[in-house]
Amino acid sequence: QQQVKQSPQSLIVQKGGISIINCAYENTAFDYFPWYQQFPGKGPALLIAIRPDVSEKKEGRFTISFNKSAKQFSLHIMDSQPGDSATYFCAASFTGNQFYFGTGTSLTVIP
Amino acid sequence: GAVVSQHPSRVICKSGTSVKIECRSLDFQATTMFWYRQFPKQSLMLMATSNEGSKATYEQGVEKDKFLINHASLTLSTLTVTSAHPEDSSFYICSANIRQTEQYFGPGTRLTVT
Repeated sequence: QQQVKQSPQSLIVQKGGISIINCAYENTAFDYFPWYQQFPGKGPALLIAIRPDVSEKKEGRFTISFNKSAKQFSLHIMDSQPGDSATYFCAASFTGNQFYFGTGTSLTVIP
Repeated sequence: GAVVSQHPSRVICKSGTSVKIECRSLDFQATTMFWYRQFPKQSLMLMATSNEGSKATYEQGVEKDKFLINHASLTLSTLTVTSAHPEDSSFYICSANIRQTEQYFGPGTRLTVT
């Protein structure tokens, strides 16, 4: 059973636009929801993370929106740039335990 | 963020040989490290959880005799692919937990078995 479902699989956005990636989870016991950015041939890098006690977290151009009742969270990339072109993974975990990853979203930002 | 290193970054080996991949936490102690395998354009597949001083916990379907994991210290975990075959060719990535919450990944190791 896929614990974390991610969509879309791929996304093309114009430079300066907003990129939105969505994730949904099943287990209400999850208490940590990170987003990772991965460039080809590199390991994933922690981008931003949120806990279920807040509904939104913003760091620079990246914002996580969290809807606990709907069991959904999303990543918003404002003013998307070509350098943001990468694969993004959402994840969910119980503190101290393994992470469950989404299937990934390939983002392409065109100039 | 915390730094996790992996060595080597790329390795090519012949079928039937063994390959060791090292994962180190450079600026923190990691009681728990994870090993993942990633196929092209796919998500990360957890292979095993490595705890310092104890045996690794392998995910279902992962051959523990083929993928030997040793977590000898709080900063080092190793993955040995024994008797490697072409189907073992993949991108192997380790990660480490810090503060029991955040997970930081290494840069990955590209294994090619010829």
